Amino acid sequence: GAGVSQSPSNKVTEKGKDVELRCDPISGHTALYWYRQSLGQGLEFLIYFQGNSAPDKSGLPSDRFSAERTGGSVSTLTIQRTQQEDSAVYLCASSLQQGNEKLFFGSGTQLSVL
Amino acid sequence: RKEVEQDPGPFNVPEGATVAFNCTYSNSASQSFFWYRQDCRKEPKLLMSVYSSGNEDGRFTAQLNRASQYISLLIRDSKLSDSATYLCVVNRDGGSQGNLIFGKGTKLSVKP
Repeated sequence: GAGVSQSPSNKVTEKGKDVELRCDPISGHTALYWYRQSLGQGLEFLIYFQGNSAPDKSGLPSDRFSAERTGGSVSTLTIQRTQQEDSAVYLCASSLQQGNEKLFFGSGTQLSVL
Repeated sequence: RKEVEQDPGPFNVPEGATVAFNCTYSNSASQSFFWYRQDCRKEPKLLMSVYSSGNEDGRFTAQLNRASQYISLLIRDSKLSDSATYLCVVNRDGGSQGNLIFGKGTKLSVKP
């Protein structure tokens, strides 16, 4: 498809398990962003990539969170030893280049940690 | 002061009404401003950019006041389909955190 694709759309996991979330940006978009949104809250920045490098990881809430991007395309966000407070919608967005503020968002992954 | 602050609402208005939202930002160095729209349980989508001179797109008008560090969005002749949460977005120019800071949003509900 032409849009940003995220998978899975829903993920239910047990506390302490690891999860991996995937984002497939729009073809040709060099910048990729991860945000998370808790119920009724605003978007919280996590990390962004320019190409394969992540100039800014300052939003990652703890060392249990990591992300990588390969081939300038697909990105995965990994959460190790999940906690209940990790429950949120994880949104991925891409843009033509970093600094271009027209972000195209995927439909998100709803993560529920029991 | 929060980086980007919005009245959460909800704003409940009848069809055809005019409604205005304000947003304040704390970083006087910010250079770029946007309104995004987010429907319930959906992803945010860019509504419009906000230019210094103010700009209009159909029924939507955006204004920027740099001196007071606020941005506004005016919706005229509101439609049922305008019901959504409106997110104020500010570029932390030259800074980190991916540059874009999202407000928590203002919820609009347009009733028949």
